[in-house]
Amino acid sequence: DAGVIQSPRHEVTEMGQEVTLRCKPISGHDYLFWYRQTMMRGLELLIYFNNNVPIDDSGMPEDRFSAKMPNASFSTLKIQPSEPRDSAVYFCASKGTNDQPQHFGDGTRLSIL
Amino acid sequence: AQKVTQAQTEISVVEKEDVTLDCVYETRDTTYYLFWYKQPPSGELVFLIRRNSFDEQNEISGRYSWNFQKSTSSFNFTITASQVVDSAVYFCALSEALYNFNKFYFGSGTKLNVKP
Repeated sequence: DAGVIQSPRHEVTEMGQEVTLRCKPISGHDYLFWYRQTMMRGLELLIYFNNNVPIDDSGMPEDRFSAKMPNASFSTLKIQPSEPRDSAVYFCASKGTNDQPQHFGDGTRLSIL
Repeated sequence: AQKVTQAQTEISVVEKEDVTLDCVYETRDTTYYLFWYKQPPSGELVFLIRRNSFDEQNEISGRYSWNFQKSTSSFNFTITASQVVDSAVYFCALSEALYNFNKFYFGSGTKLNVKP
């Protein structure tokens, strides 16, 4: 079975540019999560969706960040405008039901110059 | 206060040694899950095990074993006869019924270096 698929794997862009990260969850999973990993703060939950509806976005750092899930098989995390401090690895994860483990994608390594 | 504490920042062992990674958690919930994930140098996060709060049985999977003790709020992970491929950062995590098990609290991770 295909796991969680993220694209791109690496992104390098200049400050001020719009960045869009993409995620395809495991088929049949009702929950989708976006995380950010940095050395300083570890793994932080940014937002999660249940059945395509955002449930908790309290971890989204600021208005420059937005996430959407237009259908059950696709989600995006957008940063506009990007800043150097947004450099991190961004993970998407999905899970089937409440008590199941989250399965993570390979991550997107984002560098903002 | 940290909900999940992994006090060992980094551990180095020689191949074939046994190694235990510590995890201490804090929760007021009576129903919760504990997890271990592995992050190898390639960067992906790999799910290893899930344990619910009502099941204190230890679990063994090949060279891996997990010791869950509610009395000490610990969920430790032992690798027997370690191998170079075990080198990775290992994360312990907690999810609680209070948040429908959707908020994962991750520890800061333990980096394991297994030398040949």
